[in-house]
Amino acid sequence: DSGVTQTPKHLITATGQRVTLRCSPRSGDLSVYWYQQSLDQGLQFLIQYYNGEERAKGNILERFSAQQFPDLHSELNLSSLELGDSALYFCASSVGSNNQPQHFGDGTRLSIL
Amino acid sequence: SQELEQSPQSLIVQEGKNLTINCTSSKTLYGLYWYKQKYGEGLIFLMMLQKGGEEKSHEKITAKLDEKKQQSSLHITASQPSHAGIYLCGATNTGNQFYFGTGTSLTVIP
Repeated sequence: DSGVTQTPKHLITATGQRVTLRCSPRSGDLSVYWYQQSLDQGLQFLIQYYNGEERAKGNILERFSAQQFPDLHSELNLSSLELGDSALYFCASSVGSNNQPQHFGDGTRLSIL
Repeated sequence: SQELEQSPQSLIVQEGKNLTINCTSSKTLYGLYWYKQKYGEGLIFLMMLQKGGEEKSHEKITAKLDEKKQQSSLHITASQPSHAGIYLCGATNTGNQFYFGTGTSLTVIP
């Protein structure tokens, strides 16, 4: 058990919809990272938050947004969903801001119908 | 853009055999991480290497970062079915973005 909790585990929705993925980091970790994993793109870094502030941005689409709340949990919002957004979305956390060993959650599997 | 190329892409070995996975960067690495993923599950952190020439071991897995800091190798001794999974190397670029290698799928036949 990594200590990182992601909900929900599975999500099925339709094109054009909006969903919110939630992540609770390990106790004591200040950084939260979001990743997208698909068969054709591999594991892609989306965004990192450190203690409530955006720290680094990767290949995150404009239709996607994230935030980290004062209690350090994070949410990833995906809107105007397309078929290609179907993927596994992982959250990870680390103690500091410089990509120290990251601890991963079990992921949210998003299926767009 | 910075890339991490892993080789081989996939590996099938008999239980008990040794194997090596390589991770090659197009630029100097300032920290290299190894993770393992079971299919459809989260990643498990294995090891972090920061200094050129550094070598770390955990149980039967040894990882090394070469002196020029552009390549890392992961060596598994006497492989077991529990070693099966996808091995991913990861690093940070100058923009503090974390990125992963292309992955190596390992199958261990009992």
